[in-house]
This record gives sequence, C-alpha cells and structure tokens, in this order.
Amino acid sequence: QVQLKESGPGLVKPSETLSLTCSVSGGSITTYYWNWIRQSPGKGLEWIAFTHYTGSTNYNPSLKSRVTVSLDTSKRQFSLTLSSVTAADTAVYYCAREERFSSSWFDYWGQGIPVTVSS
Amino acid sequence: EIVLTQSPATLSLSPGERATLSCRASQSVSSYLAWYQQKPGQAPRLLIYDASNRATGIPARFSGRGSGTDFTLTISSLEPEDFAVYYCQQRSNWPPIFTFGPGTKVDI
Repeated sequence: QVQLKESGPGLVKPSETLSLTCSVSGGSITTYYWNWIRQSPGKGLEWIAFTHYTGSTNYNPSLKSRVTVSLDTSKRQFSLTLSSVTAADTAVYYCAREERFSSSWFDYWGQGIPVTVSS
Repeated sequence: EIVLTQSPATLSLSPGERATLSCRASQSVSSYLAWYQQKPGQAPRLLIYDASNRATGIPARFSGRGSGTDFTLTISSLEPEDFAVYYCQQRSNWPPIFTFGPGTKVDI
C-alpha cells in the first residue's frame, strides 16, 4: 500500500528557508512523478513543483525563483525548499504522487503538514 | 496559463438529491481533467481522471463527463459523507504546469 508522509518544521521565520521532506512507502519510486502542493488557510489548492528520478523538475512560475525540489531514490524521499518565506507562504503543504500519461492526476497524497510563517 | 473556473461556488442540497458540478477551462484541455474531493482536515482524494474514469474504490454514484472546455461531475444520489469541497485539475502539455479550480462546496 502506498503511503506518503510529510515532515519538517511547523514554524518558520519570515525571510528564512522552509524545508520539507516527503517519505514514500510502498510502490515504485521511479515510475511516478512526485509533487508538492499547498493550500493556504481557507483557500484552494496551489501546485508548487514536481520532481522525477530522471532529474526532470518543473516549478510553478509564480514560485520558481524561490523553490527547489529533489528526489533521493535510495531513501525513498523527496524534498522541497522554499526560500525567503513570507506570511503568504503560510499553508498546509501536501506531497502527492502523480500518475502521468497524456494527462496527469494525483492519486496518492500525504496527510499534509501545516506550516506557519511568523516571527 | 489555463484557468479553471468552477460553478456554483456552493451547492446546498439534501441527502438523496443529485448534485451537478461544473468546471470550465479557459482553453481546450481535451479530456485531460481530474476531480478531487476534500473534507475538512483531510487531503484531497482523487475521484475521476481523464474526465470520466473513476479512480480505484470510488463509488459508482460519482460520474464525470465532458471534453474540450466544459466538464461536469455528477453525484447521482448524495450520501451524508459526500458533503465536501470538490476541485477540478488539469495539466498543461508544455511546460507541464498544473492548475486547480477554486472549488465547489457541497453542503446541506
């Protein structure tokens, strides 16, 4: 059974860097794309980025200058760093597995980790 | 960038009623659209992919249809556990960028 679980600090100070890790259990780590998605309080879903074992990545243009994602297949983990955070980055951050064919969908999600940006 | 709009924002119905949710894309996405259900405090759950295919374990009362720019998610007879927020999602071809609609809340 596939499970994803986010980990990282729940509180980050403004201007600092947010770092999160998603641990994947079950299933193949190389077949799929691995994504980060966030949801601000009371708001909708915002895609952040994906990574793939080939090294392929892409980022939401609105966040591209501040985001890095990477995948460690040996640890079965992928990570997100978001630099220069502000209060606008306060959100629940989800990691999700992407099934990709001609289209894409997210079939497995982590439980989400709430992150607050505050001094 | 493809923009997804969903209507209505809120749908107030009773158990047993039929729910019809709409998602419209700003340009054609072919049949490449997915639907998710999200309950408070939970992660989204995949319901439908490629416009009309039910994900594993999703009850038959959920159905999706559409292509191009107009899509519909139908819940044939609402169960108490179906009251939630529903989002549509698409991925642009190149560069691969994902967008979600703003959501439709189905409540009692």
